[in-house]
Amino acid sequence: QKEVEQDPGPLSVPEGAIVSLNCTYSNSAFQYFMWYRQYSRKGPELLMYTYSSGNKEDGRFTAQVDKSSKYISLFIRDSQPSDSATYLCAMSEGQFYFGTGTSLTVIP
Amino acid sequence: GAVVSQHPSRVICKSGTSVKIECRSLDFQATTMFWYRQFPKQSLMLMATSNEGSKATYEQGVEKDKFLINHASLTLSTLTVTSAHPEDSSFYICSASTGVNIQYFGAGTRLSVL
Repeated sequence: QKEVEQDPGPLSVPEGAIVSLNCTYSNSAFQYFMWYRQYSRKGPELLMYTYSSGNKEDGRFTAQVDKSSKYISLFIRDSQPSDSATYLCAMSEGQFYFGTGTSLTVIP
Repeated sequence: GAVVSQHPSRVICKSGTSVKIECRSLDFQATTMFWYRQFPKQSLMLMATSNEGSKATYEQGVEKDKFLINHASLTLSTLTVTSAHPEDSSFYICSASTGVNIQYFGAGTRLSVL
């Protein structure tokens, strides 16, 4: 079993939709949970990070961590074509583990 | 804050030559730097982890003599691809960690070996 599982998609939504991206994990020692956005031919950009459980909001983005279910989510409200990218989840307990990424396309 | 600069963004070289890629943390001291390789439409592949002043730790299957990593200061790490061949053509990305469990990535370097 992989440490971090992420559905690769692809996910295609109309502009303005709410997008839900998810990852599951198996290691209960993870304390830091991150979401990165990667545009084609660019390095990943840190969107948000959360320490331990709970929610964090930044503009149109909300990150949620449910440690009891070993499940994290990233919600994007009012999605825009510029949100089209690959989204990577990542987790750490000293060592880093990345999901494989979900490809998102927002259609105008 | 937490900006990582990677240079060059694109390099084309002849087979047999060596290529150096620089990774700098601009506004923080990076206790650990990482080097990744990424093939089209695939996820990140960790190549090596380096701590300032120490030898890099390479992942299984990564040739140490082919991919030389130097982490001479808390703000600079370099990856040198020695005697590059066409199969080394790829997208190389560095990242840096402050010691808090978060990585910040550079913009990547696209290497094409002719």
